[in-house]
Amino acid sequence: DQQVKQNSPSLSVQEGRISILNCDYTNSMFDYFLWYKKYPAEGPTFLISISSIKDKNEDGRFTVFLNKSAKHLSLHIVPSQPGDSAVYFCAAKFGNEKLTFGTGTRLTIIP
Amino acid sequence: EPEVTQTPSHQVTQMGQEVILRCVPISNHLYFYWYRQILGQKVEFLVSFYNNEISEKSEIFDDQFSVERPDGSNFTLKIRSTKLEDSAMYFCASSETRMLNTEAFFGQGTRLTVV
Repeated sequence: DQQVKQNSPSLSVQEGRISILNCDYTNSMFDYFLWYKKYPAEGPTFLISISSIKDKNEDGRFTVFLNKSAKHLSLHIVPSQPGDSAVYFCAAKFGNEKLTFGTGTRLTIIP
Repeated sequence: EPEVTQTPSHQVTQMGQEVILRCVPISNHLYFYWYRQILGQKVEFLVSFYNNEISEKSEIFDDQFSVERPDGSNFTLKIRSTKLEDSAMYFCASSETRMLNTEAFFGQGTRLTVV
């Protein structure tokens, strides 16, 4: 039961360009969405989040967009830097604290 | 910066043995969680814990699993009789509140290998 899906297992982007990571969800009850970044041998690190009442949230180089009608969110990183190379997880929750994660997208920034 | 710490970083155990994974959540946090990630798969919720009791658990969290906050700082996950399929990275997390717009902070994980 994949309620949160990240259909691209990997993505390579040139340094300085925009990275766009996508996430789709099926449960319309989700009302809060988060992106986590994970380096090897470390735990997920919170990156940015968005409430379902918004369609955009920006924090420095990171912007998350939410399209509720399409049940789709995306993370934009611009400009991409080598330190952004990691696995990015989309996560969602509704009404309580349990997070439902996607399968992750491995982002590689090419110098 | 405060962080969630987990010990050990790697645990190897024989099938059928009991293991205890330990976590020290961030000190002013009140909500605690265990998640796991089997190699190559997504991070999965196991259990949440608040006010000394389980608030939610997944279907993975069967009778072989238990959680405890024995001394007000540690938060432990016990697996009574490990199976090969319990091999995974186990992540502890904590959050300050239960409010919707609160993120959980994760520890670095314990890699459990059951042989």
